[in-house]
Amino acid sequence: NAGVTQTPKFRVLKTGQSMTLLCAQDMNHEYMYWYRQDPGMGLRLIHYSVGEGTTAKGEVPDGYNVSRLKKQNFLLGLESAAPSQTSVYFCASVGSGGAFGEQFFGPGTRLTVL
Amino acid sequence: GQSLEQPSEVTAVEGAIVQINCTYQTSGFYGLSWYQQHDGGAPTFLSYNALDGLEETGRFSSFLSRSDSYGYLLLQELQMKDSASYFCAAISSGSARQLTFGSGTQLTVLP
Repeated sequence: NAGVTQTPKFRVLKTGQSMTLLCAQDMNHEYMYWYRQDPGMGLRLIHYSVGEGTTAKGEVPDGYNVSRLKKQNFLLGLESAAPSQTSVYFCASVGSGGAFGEQFFGPGTRLTVL
Repeated sequence: GQSLEQPSEVTAVEGAIVQINCTYQTSGFYGLSWYQQHDGGAPTFLSYNALDGLEETGRFSSFLSRSDSYGYLLLQELQMKDSASYFCAAISSGSARQLTFGSGTQLTVLP
């Protein structure tokens, strides 16, 4: 099993450009999450999904959109990138039978917006 | 909403015991999780407490006191590889199992 994978690993964007980050998991997990982590800070929840076809806003959703068309994939979109969105983005997932406090994280996508 | 506070840095020597504290202010609190993150890496789950008391997992233990809105992570027999950031995270009582993370504690283990 590959676990949670994220594509791409690195990306540099210019202000105003758009992009989509892909998260994929092969553990048949129901719950999936997108976080951002800024230097010296904890992770902040952007959006999450409790199942295929469902999404909801987290703590910092502005400037991002998500979609969960397939159970194994969770996409994060930046419609018009801003320098404030320079960050490391982590995806995580957990199954409904898993421990409540445990999430499995992908390796992260390092995004720089110039 | 939820907010968590933990020390920004802790330093200890190899073989020692270190305790990382976490206090929280929350609504809809289910429990407290702990994660480890090495530089440039992904967070990895260490432990969680849904009930008051101590949970032991090898060299790592975690404690929760709901009445004091307080928890801690205890690391014993410290090794150099334990140098990393440690995050406490409040688990939401909602069905989505959201986590709200503290800002992290950078642990440095000295030889």
